[in-house]
Amino acid sequence: GQNIDQPTEMTATEGAIVQINCTYQTSGFNGLFWYQQHAGEAPTFLSYNVLDGLEEKGRFSSFLSRSKGYSYLLLKELQMKDSASYLCAVRDINTDKLIFGTGTRLQVFP
Amino acid sequence: DGGITQSPKYLFRKEGQNVTLSCEQNLNHDAMYWYRQDPGQGLRLIYYSQIVNDFQKGDIAEGYSVSREKKESFPLTVTSAQKNPTAFYLCASSHREGTGLGETQYFGPGTRLLVL
Repeated sequence: GQNIDQPTEMTATEGAIVQINCTYQTSGFNGLFWYQQHAGEAPTFLSYNVLDGLEEKGRFSSFLSRSKGYSYLLLKELQMKDSASYLCAVRDINTDKLIFGTGTRLQVFP
Repeated sequence: DGGITQSPKYLFRKEGQNVTLSCEQNLNHDAMYWYRQDPGQGLRLIYYSQIVNDFQKGDIAEGYSVSREKKESFPLTVTSAQKNPTAFYLCASSHREGTGLGETQYFGPGTRLLVL
């Protein structure tokens, strides 16, 4: 079967670092995506991992361990505008479809 | 600017009525997708199309229909058979698998459908 788990909600302070975890189970893995979604808006692409390791892009980094079925999104130097939902999605190699988690709602406080 | 547009932003449906949601992209993407988002749930795939004049059912296709007559356009019709249509509908597009151009999906701004 296919299953993606991520925490429902997280809170953090402006200027801090936060790590959002995502664990997945899929019959055939072909890449993991992170999206940011502000309330009432469309998801916007943040990162893509298909090989193990860390991908860094400015204040955001994403890590993947395929053997553990685990990824995390790391947000540094948090800003108020980072308050949003963060969606983890896995591509299934057999269907080529994206399977989305329910999202983690992050609230950044001053 | 290249992008994906969806219209309208808000749509109201009466009982027994069919409504059509528009999705247009000028990114030269072959593949297009329709998702539904409900509170507390992940995005669920309704229909997708890898190429013009071809489309496949997603995980929750019942009560919906689509067409793909042009590369740029992928309209979604919510029929009266869909008993719980109130949701946020998102259209996305990507390059097709195997082109070497990357298959990241990019989303339109969404249409919120409400039932009167």
